[in-house]
Amino acid sequence: EAGVAQSPRYKIIEKRQSVAFWCNPISGHATLYWYQQILGQGPKLLIQFQNNGVVDDSQLPKDRFSAERLKGVDSTLKIQPAKLEDSAVYLCASSFWAYEQYFGPGTRLTVT
Amino acid sequence: KQEVTQIPAALSVPEGENLVLNCSFTDSAIYNLQWFRQDPGKGLTSLLLIQSSQREQTSGRLNASLDKSSGRSTLYIAASQPGDSATYLCAASGNTGKLIFGQGTTLQVKP
Repeated sequence: EAGVAQSPRYKIIEKRQSVAFWCNPISGHATLYWYQQILGQGPKLLIQFQNNGVVDDSQLPKDRFSAERLKGVDSTLKIQPAKLEDSAVYLCASSFWAYEQYFGPGTRLTVT
Repeated sequence: KQEVTQIPAALSVPEGENLVLNCSFTDSAIYNLQWFRQDPGKGLTSLLLIQSSQREQTSGRLNASLDKSSGRSTLYIAASQPGDSATYLCAASGNTGKLIFGQGTTLQVKP
């Protein structure tokens, strides 16, 4: 069974630029999550989708972050414009509703 | 608001030692408690998931326990090996699946 796929693995941008991350969940998983992990901390949920509807985006900085899940499968997370404090690893995870979550390898973003 | 705390933040042990990692949470109304392993520069690997109705789960040399009434979970690693060196994260979820993570315990097992 293929795992959660993410791309790119690494990205370096300057502040005020925009960036997009892509995630392909495990086949059949209706629930998809995006987490932000700042160095030395545990991951923090940014947004949760159930199929292509949003379940929780309470911690998503909506003035600069946006996310969508097309046709209930792949998802894209965008940051525009980026700030220095957005430097982090962005992790995508998927699951059957509230059951065991499986994580992708993450995208390491550096904002200079 | 759920908060998850892990103690200690770092741990160094000699190979072969049995060890316990601690996780505490403030809201006992959890749905699941999940333990993860994270290697440097990598994503999270799920180790064990304990449902709220369960008291423990075992996988190989790993055993995780859950005590909802006291707001605690422990991860027991038997006969530790250098390959066990990694950061271990615990996370509590409510019925929507949203995971609240602790800050992790970084384990080093010395040969």
